[in-house]
Amino acid sequence: QQQVKQSPQSLIVQKGGISIINCAYENTAFDYFPWYQQFPGKGPALLIAIRPDVSEKKEGRFTISFNKSAKQFSLHIMDSQPGDSATYFCAACGVASGNTPLVFGKGTRLSVIA
Amino acid sequence: GAGVSQSPRYKVAKRGQDVALRCDPISGHVSLFWYQQALGQGPEFLTYFQNEAQLDKSGLPSDRFFAERPEGSVSTLKIQRTQQEDSAVYLCASSPARGGTGELFFGEGSRLTVL
Repeated sequence: QQQVKQSPQSLIVQKGGISIINCAYENTAFDYFPWYQQFPGKGPALLIAIRPDVSEKKEGRFTISFNKSAKQFSLHIMDSQPGDSATYFCAACGVASGNTPLVFGKGTRLSVIA
Repeated sequence: GAGVSQSPRYKVAKRGQDVALRCDPISGHVSLFWYQQALGQGPEFLTYFQNEAQLDKSGLPSDRFFAERPEGSVSTLKIQRTQQEDSAVYLCASSPARGGTGELFFGEGSRLTVL
């Protein structure tokens, strides 16, 4: 059973547009939700992360929105650029419950076209 | 550089051969993780070390997979009697924090192809 469900599988966005990727989870013990960015041939790199005590976190053009009651969180990329073209993974783990390992979604391949 | 280093970057093995994949974490990082990433999929957790102690190996798919970190630094993932379904990129990550909290720093991975 997949612990973190991510959608869409792929996304094409015009340069300057908004990219939105969604994730849903079931395990209520999860309390740490990072997003990772991966370029071809490279390992994933942390982009931004949120804990459930806030509903939104913004860093530059990247924003995480978190809905605890719905057990959903999303990544918004404002003013998307061709350099943002990569695969994005949402992830989750439980810290307070004893550090369950970080589990990843299946990824969203983003293509930003000029 | 001072990042996580993995070797070899590419490994081709014949079915039934044993392979060993090495991970050099960032110096001083307490936690070390191994993940398996199949083509077009997200990383799947294999095992976790805190210093030299293997605290979680629940993700290892079979007893053919073995990992060690004897001195709390370099780690080796060994796969015995490789099968075609073992073909994947094996990612190593380290973290200065205990457990899965905080940022994981990933290496570029070792791509294993089993023929």
